[in-house]
Amino acid sequence: GEDVEQSLFLSVREGDSSVINCTYTDSSSTYLYWYKQEPGAGLQLLTYIFSNMDMKQDQRLTVLLNKKDKHLSLRIADTQTGDSAIYFCAESIPQGSQGNLIFGKGTKLSVKP
Amino acid sequence: EADIYQTPRYLVIGTGKKITLECSQTMGHDKMYWYQQDPGMELHLIHYSYGVNSTEKGDLSSESTVSRIRTEHFPLTLESARPSHTSQYLCASSDGNTGELFFGEGSRLTVL
Repeated sequence: GEDVEQSLFLSVREGDSSVINCTYTDSSSTYLYWYKQEPGAGLQLLTYIFSNMDMKQDQRLTVLLNKKDKHLSLRIADTQTGDSAIYFCAESIPQGSQGNLIFGKGTKLSVKP
Repeated sequence: EADIYQTPRYLVIGTGKKITLECSQTMGHDKMYWYQQDPGMELHLIHYSYGVNSTEKGDLSSESTVSRIRTEHFPLTLESARPSHTSQYLCASSDGNTGELFFGEGSRLTVL
């Protein structure tokens, strides 16, 4: 079945770049997403990329998609303490299947001052 | 900013009580979802609905039930709460186009 894998923890220093990696299994996924969850809150969509794109940049965020390897990454430039959160990778699944997205287990990003 | 609301945000109750977690969205989305989130972060889909009078169980078995009488409202009910139900419950909705999910802030349930 479909599966999304990501490492559970990442620790960086303030000002450094953070790179969170994700692998997925369903090659028919149309969209791939990055969600951010701050403590005690729900998930908030950070960005998404259409499956026919290789890269998407939005201010400090860069998403890279390697469709051949089914690998997705999120780079956060100039990481700030406010970026500390859990980041979830997700892939869309075909219409008619249960649910809409398959989520990874989340990567907890800790930013040290 | 998403217009999806969950109440209560925090609830502490005793074993055996009946509880209902409310979820409402004002975006007119047909698809709505309930996720249970472990303390260790993983999200588990427990219920979903593709429209009024449609409800389905998700990939994690749950003793909770849901109803969808109105498009904007998707409440989750536990008839008899137990400590094993202690968790964070997240409601979400989707317009079905890009697949993007809009999440509520969550309801953190503690059963003593």
